[in-house]
Amino acid sequence: QSVLTQPPSVSGAPGQRVTISCTGSSSNIGAGSDVHWYQQLPGTVPKLLIYATTIRPSGVPDRFSGSRSGTSASLAITGLQVEDEADYYCQSYDSSLSEGVFGGGTKLTVL
Amino acid sequence: QVQLVQSGAEVKKPGASVKVSCKASGYVFTRYDINWVRQAPGQGLEWMGWLNPNSGNAGYAQKFQGRVTMTRDMSETTAYLEMSSLTSEDTAVYYCGRGFSAARPRAQDHWGQGTLVTVSS
Repeated sequence: QSVLTQPPSVSGAPGQRVTISCTGSSSNIGAGSDVHWYQQLPGTVPKLLIYATTIRPSGVPDRFSGSRSGTSASLAITGLQVEDEADYYCQSYDSSLSEGVFGGGTKLTVL
Repeated sequence: QVQLVQSGAEVKKPGASVKVSCKASGYVFTRYDINWVRQAPGQGLEWMGWLNPNSGNAGYAQKFQGRVTMTRDMSETTAYLEMSSLTSEDTAVYYCGRGFSAARPRAQDHWGQGTLVTVSS
C-alpha cells in the first residue's frame, strides 16, 4: 500500500487532455513537500517530467504540467499523443516516515 | 554529458550480499546527491535512500535500514549500494540517479541504466 495513491490506469484519445492524480496526506503533499513526476516508457529507464510540483525540466514539452491542491497533486497532459503511452509515477517526501515515497504508478493508455 | 553507468547483472543466493556500483561522469560528483530506487518485476518504483557524495552521509528508507549501506569513492566518482541478507523479494532492477532539486528526496534528472539483481536458490 503506497503512501501516495494514484489511479492504476487512465486513458484518452489522441489530442485529448488527461490528468493523473496523486493523493497524499498532511505529512507529505499537504505539508508542502515537493512533488516530482516521472514517465517510464515500456522497457526503459524512468524520465523526469516535472520537479518541485510545477517545474518542467528543459526538453520536456509544455503539454505536461503539474499542480498541487491540498493533499493532492496532479499531472496534466494536453494534446495527448500515442507516444505518451507509459507508466507515470509521483514522488514526494513524507515527514512522518522521514523518507521519500513513490505513488504506485498509473498506466496511461492512448486509445 | 552527464552519465551514470551501473555495474552488470548479478545472481545471488538467498542470504547473500550484493554490491552495485554507479560510476558518474560529466559533472562535479560531489555537488549532487545520488539516489537509489528499485523496481521489482512488473511492479512500481520504490525509493531506497540517498547519498551525499561530498560528506558521505546517507539516508535510508525505514524498510532498508540495517540491511543497506550507501557509500562512495570520490577518487573514482563512483557510488555504491550494498544490500545484505538477500531474499527473493529483493529481486529487482536497481537504479541510481543524480538528485539535483532543492529538497530531499531530490528529483533525479539523470538515471543509470539499471542493474538487475536476481535472488534465487
